[in-house]
Amino acid sequence: DQQVKQNSPSLSVQEGRISILNCDYTNSMFDYFLWYKKYPAEGPTFLISISSIKDKNEDGRFTVFLNKSAKHLSLHIVPSQPGDSAVYFCAAKDQGAQKLVFGQGTRLTINP
Amino acid sequence: GAVVSQHPSWVICKSGTSVKIECRSLDFQATTMFWYRQFPKQSLMLMATSNEGSKATYEQGVEKDKFLINHASLTLSTLTVTSAHPEDSSFYICSADRGPKNIQYFGAGTRLSVL
Repeated sequence: DQQVKQNSPSLSVQEGRISILNCDYTNSMFDYFLWYKKYPAEGPTFLISISSIKDKNEDGRFTVFLNKSAKHLSLHIVPSQPGDSAVYFCAAKDQGAQKLVFGQGTRLTINP
Repeated sequence: GAVVSQHPSWVICKSGTSVKIECRSLDFQATTMFWYRQFPKQSLMLMATSNEGSKATYEQGVEKDKFLINHASLTLSTLTVTSAHPEDSSFYICSADRGPKNIQYFGAGTRLSVL
């Protein structure tokens, strides 16, 4: 039972344009969502998070949007840079729980 | 961001031997640490939650006698893969929970190859 889904295994975007990565979830008890970036053979790096009481959180080039009614969140990266090429995982946390539930990841490639 | 150190980064061992992987939080105290396993081109699979001073909580399907976890201090958790077999070859990653939002910060991972 995949509670967090990233339906696009890969995404290719031109440098300077906007990258939009999507994530859907099924568990309505999730109240905190995070995005991580991962390079090959490295651990994930925390990027940005959002609480369920908000619908948007912005940090520099990264913005996360949360649509609770649709159980959908997205990560926008603008402008996209070659160094953004990596696998992006969304993750969710249940109320009061410690553990994260991860999506399958989306491989983002930024083309020059 | 917080720093989590994981050692070794790569280990090759013979079938039947045991391997210990260390996870340290370098600039904060971590009451809770997590151990994940990642297969090629797949997501991170949580193996267990490690709480300082108590027994680890294992996810369903993870053999606790095979994957021994010790969290003896607020900055160190260890994962020991006992009697390793080729099917245990994988990428193992630890993380440490840092409040107040309980964001998990990850180590760089350990590539285990069992011959």
